[in-house]
Amino acid sequence: EAQVTQNPRYLITVTGKKLTVTCSQNMNHEYMSWYRQDPGLGLRQIYYSMNVEVTDKGDVPEGYKVSRKEKRNFPLILESPSPNQTSLYFCASTGGRTGELFFGEGSRLTVL
Amino acid sequence: DQQVKQNSPSLSVQEGRISILNCDYTNSMFDYFLWYKKYPAEGPTFLISISSIKDKNEDGRFTVFLNKSAKHLSLHIVPSQPGDSAVYFCAAVPRIQKLVFGQGTRLTINP
Repeated sequence: EAQVTQNPRYLITVTGKKLTVTCSQNMNHEYMSWYRQDPGLGLRQIYYSMNVEVTDKGDVPEGYKVSRKEKRNFPLILESPSPNQTSLYFCASTGGRTGELFFGEGSRLTVL
Repeated sequence: DQQVKQNSPSLSVQEGRISILNCDYTNSMFDYFLWYKKYPAEGPTFLISISSIKDKNEDGRFTVFLNKSAKHLSLHIVPSQPGDSAVYFCAAVPRIQKLVFGQGTRLTINP
């Protein structure tokens, strides 16, 4: 089954404690991206990757890091989480050029 | 600067009637538009798209209309069904890596 898998789905952490949200896709897609969803703001892009070892900032990259060492994995790293990073995070991928993204189920992160 | 706007945070429609969800954009460089549907506790799923060279695209009960001069697109759902209750996001593409989403509209279909 074609899918994008994120882990963890739910996480409560404290300010400053490093965490990683993993994302893996089994569709051999070149393009992967991270979004955060906040009330009234819709989906905002954090980082994206056009291919292995190629990453670039989206609209709200501050406080986040990513890596793309393998085609299937695109982890999102919060080195020192802060309460304003409390949000619902989505990983997505596509093999096409027209934006028809496949999304993971989301990871709800709460930073206390 | 919100380049893609969905000005209605919520919409309530009677089952069997037409649901019309609206989206406005400001960037004339957008050349592809998409609608995504999102159920609670799930990721968004692609619903329907339209290229800027067209003004209408149909897929079953779903039709997307594009008015380039007004920088406006709309999603029509006819007839509306309870299973259509979800949050709908419109999105626009100037190029794939910068897909821009609207804020979302919560559609509720009342039986």
